[in-house]
Amino acid sequence: AQRVTQPEKLLSVFKGAPVELKCNYSYSGSPELFWYVQYSRQRLQLLLRHISRESIKGFTADLNKGETSFHLKKPFAQEEDSAMYYCALRGGTSYGKLTFGQGTILTVHP
Amino acid sequence: KAGVTQTPRYLIKTRGQQVTLSCSPISGHRSVSWYQQTPGQGLQFLFEYFSETQRNKGNFPGRFSGRQFSNSRSEMNVSTLELGDSALYLCASSLVPGQSYEQYFGPGTRLTVT
Repeated sequence: AQRVTQPEKLLSVFKGAPVELKCNYSYSGSPELFWYVQYSRQRLQLLLRHISRESIKGFTADLNKGETSFHLKKPFAQEEDSAMYYCALRGGTSYGKLTFGQGTILTVHP
Repeated sequence: KAGVTQTPRYLIKTRGQQVTLSCSPISGHRSVSWYQQTPGQGLQFLFEYFSETQRNKGNFPGRFSGRQFSNSRSEMNVSTLELGDSALYLCASSLVPGQSYEQYFGPGTRLTVT
């Protein structure tokens, strides 16, 4: 079975502060991990994925297989980062199936 | 390039009725996945279609079904609607299923069952 846990439902920070959204997963094989973001009144969109190892909008995430974590980080939060963030996992043979965490609502205060 | 489109955007049905939702993927995309989004359960995978074949199915009762047409458009059907089926139903498309292919999500169909 595969499971994704985002322990924080709500996260508030001030503009310019560092932010870390936590994601832990459970999967017996080698998963593919993603972060999706949903801004207000917009559709769900991919933010980044671990295989790309890229930084998008200043966000990075490192897959830690030992701790089975894929935390999302940004050193200096901006107000426009306020959104719902979902961590998602795709198993090796799951093709188009993504398992999502419950999501974290990030609010960045001015 | 036009994004994933879903119709209708909003729907109100009565318990016991059935409903059909439609999803048109991005042109050239052949894989379509469906998800149910509710405040309590979050985003849950329903099923995935590729080349008119169901490749994966989530843990939903048989009242939930789907299909994909030769032009990759997909429909999902829910029969004998229950109050708990009220949700946002999201469709996502990708070129083909599997690694390295991003899933693009549609705006969703908001289903309300009364």
